[in-house]
Amino acid sequence: EAQVTQNPRYLITVTGKKLTVTCSQNMNHEYMSWYRQDPGLGLRQIYYSMNVEVTDKGDVPEGYKVSRKEKRNFPLILESPSPNQTSLYFCASSLYGQGLGYTFGSGTRLTVV
Amino acid sequence: ILNVEQSPQSLHVQEGDSTNFTCSFPSSNFYALHWYRWETAKSPEALFVMTLNGDEKKKGRISATLNTKEGYSYLYIKGSQPEDSATYLCAFMTTDSWGKFQFGAGTQVVVTP
Repeated sequence: EAQVTQNPRYLITVTGKKLTVTCSQNMNHEYMSWYRQDPGLGLRQIYYSMNVEVTDKGDVPEGYKVSRKEKRNFPLILESPSPNQTSLYFCASSLYGQGLGYTFGSGTRLTVV
Repeated sequence: ILNVEQSPQSLHVQEGDSTNFTCSFPSSNFYALHWYRWETAKSPEALFVMTLNGDEKKKGRISATLNTKEGYSYLYIKGSQPEDSATYLCAFMTTDSWGKFQFGAGTQVVVTP
């Protein structure tokens, strides 16, 4: 089944403890992106990647890192999480990044205390 | 950050009635507009990808139109059913922001029997 897999689905962590949210797609998509969703604000783009070893900042990249060493994987790294990073996170992928719509992962609800 | 606005924020519709709502975006440097349907506790799902002025797309009882010159897109639901209850998101990309999609905050549709 064609899908984007995110893990974990739920995570509660403490301020400053490094964490990684994994994202993997099995559709051979070049384009992958991370979004966060906060009430009333819609989906805001954190980082995106047009292909392997190519990553770019979205609108809210502060406090996050990403890497794209393989086409299928695009992990989101929070080196020192803070409470304002408590949010619902989505990974998404697309074949060309513009014409075919995103396939979204199931989301990761992160709480930083 | 581009300003993508969706209106209304929410609407309640009686089963069987038709409804429509708007996504507004800056009209310059248009590249693509996406519509997504987002049901509670699920991930957003692509409905339409629109790239040309005057585009009209249809999927069952849901259809969308695009006016890039004036910067808006309408989504129509004909004969609303309870299963149409969801938040509908639009996302917009310009030619000078390759890979960066801006999402609107969404229109929440509640269809009551």
